[in-house]
Amino acid sequence: GQNIDQPTEMTATEGAIVQINCTYQTSGFNGLFWYQQHAGEAPTFLSYNVLDGLEEKGRFSSFLSRSKGYSYLLLKELQMKDSASYLCAVSPYTDKLIFGTGTRLQVFP
Amino acid sequence: GAVVSQHPSRVICKSGTSVKIECRSLDFQATTMFWYRQFPKKSLMLMATSNEGSKATYEQGVEKDKFLINHASLTLSTLTVTSAHPEDSSFYICSASGGSGSGNEQFFGPGTRLTVL
Repeated sequence: GQNIDQPTEMTATEGAIVQINCTYQTSGFNGLFWYQQHAGEAPTFLSYNVLDGLEEKGRFSSFLSRSKGYSYLLLKELQMKDSASYLCAVSPYTDKLIFGTGTRLQVFP
Repeated sequence: GAVVSQHPSRVICKSGTSVKIECRSLDFQATTMFWYRQFPKKSLMLMATSNEGSKATYEQGVEKDKFLINHASLTLSTLTVTSAHPEDSSFYICSASGGSGSGNEQFFGPGTRLTVL
């Protein structure tokens, strides 16, 4: 079966750094995506990892270890607008995506 | 590029009626479109995958006769919720792949909030 786990909720302070973990067990692996979703809105793309290592994009970075079935999303210099749900999604094959449970992040001043 | 639109954004209907939701890729030809359902404070649940000109592939537990999907062109897919009931109330989101992006990136529409009275 397909299983993707993330913490349900996290809190952090404005200006801080937060790491959101994602572990997965899927029948295949064709890449891992991180999306941000604000309440009532569609998910927006943040990052994509298909090879092991760290991908950095501004304040956001994403890491992947395929052997461990593990990824994390690192958010630096947190801002209030970063309060949202962060969705980890794995593509087991072709272009299908399986989403994790999502992590609701609350940033406090 | 890679913009996906959905219409309507919100719909309220009476129990027993059918509702059609449109998903369009505005600036690219979508090889595949996906339909998701999302309950409050929950993640996205894939309902079905559709390719232009062929029958949709439904996920386990999703009723084909309840949720009719038509993918008539490379830029348009529709989801019809037939004989809607209050338990069908949800946030429905479509996505499309085939635009310029990373890997098999899916581009999401803004979603449709369906409320069945």
